[in-house]
Amino acid sequence: QQQVKQSPQSLIVQKGGISIINCAYENTAFDYFPWYQQFPGKGPALLIAIRPDVSEKKEGRFTISFNKSAKQFSLHIMDSQPGDSATYFCAANTDKLIFGTGTRLQVFP
Amino acid sequence: DGGITQSPKYLFRKEGQNVTLSCEQNLNHDAMYWYRQDPGQGLRLIYYSQIVNDFQKGDIAEGYSVSREKKESFPLTVTSAQKNPTAFYLCASSPWRGGNTEAFFGQGTRLTVV
Repeated sequence: QQQVKQSPQSLIVQKGGISIINCAYENTAFDYFPWYQQFPGKGPALLIAIRPDVSEKKEGRFTISFNKSAKQFSLHIMDSQPGDSATYFCAANTDKLIFGTGTRLQVFP
Repeated sequence: DGGITQSPKYLFRKEGQNVTLSCEQNLNHDAMYWYRQDPGQGLRLIYYSQIVNDFQKGDIAEGYSVSREKKESFPLTVTSAQKNPTAFYLCASSPWRGGNTEAFFGQGTRLTVV
């Protein structure tokens, strides 16, 4: 119930391509869905977040798509750049943040 | 500068010893959290606190203890009862109890048992 399932575990994309990371959840009490970006040896930092009353949110090259009925949400990174190479975590929140297992993204020039 | 400070960055511990990881925030946040990060397992919640002098167990609390005597401080003790303590530990805080807002993370403490 409290789990957030994330896929794929790793992703390799060419520069300029689209990176897509998917997450699914079971607990309908979750009411806040952030994505975090983490570089090696650093703490995660908030990238973008969405609430369940919205189906899509876009900030620059980053877009969250949210499907409430399917209990799924995804992160799309348009025009992927080598500087986007990092680990990405989806998360879901009620009174505490529950994280997915992470996706390691590598963008090659 | 406002933020979350974790110390030390690297920590080595002998088997059988307790060790305490420090987490301090000057963001005036109510809620604070401790996560453990292992390769391929994401961030797993150890303990969290939504108010001073109160805290709750997360998913993997066994072998750990915390205290919240001050709003800005949330130290984590890794006890000798924790069977596999080598990991990257992350502290976070958020403005309000109950979440629904951004969590800010420290830079982490890498603990190695030798």
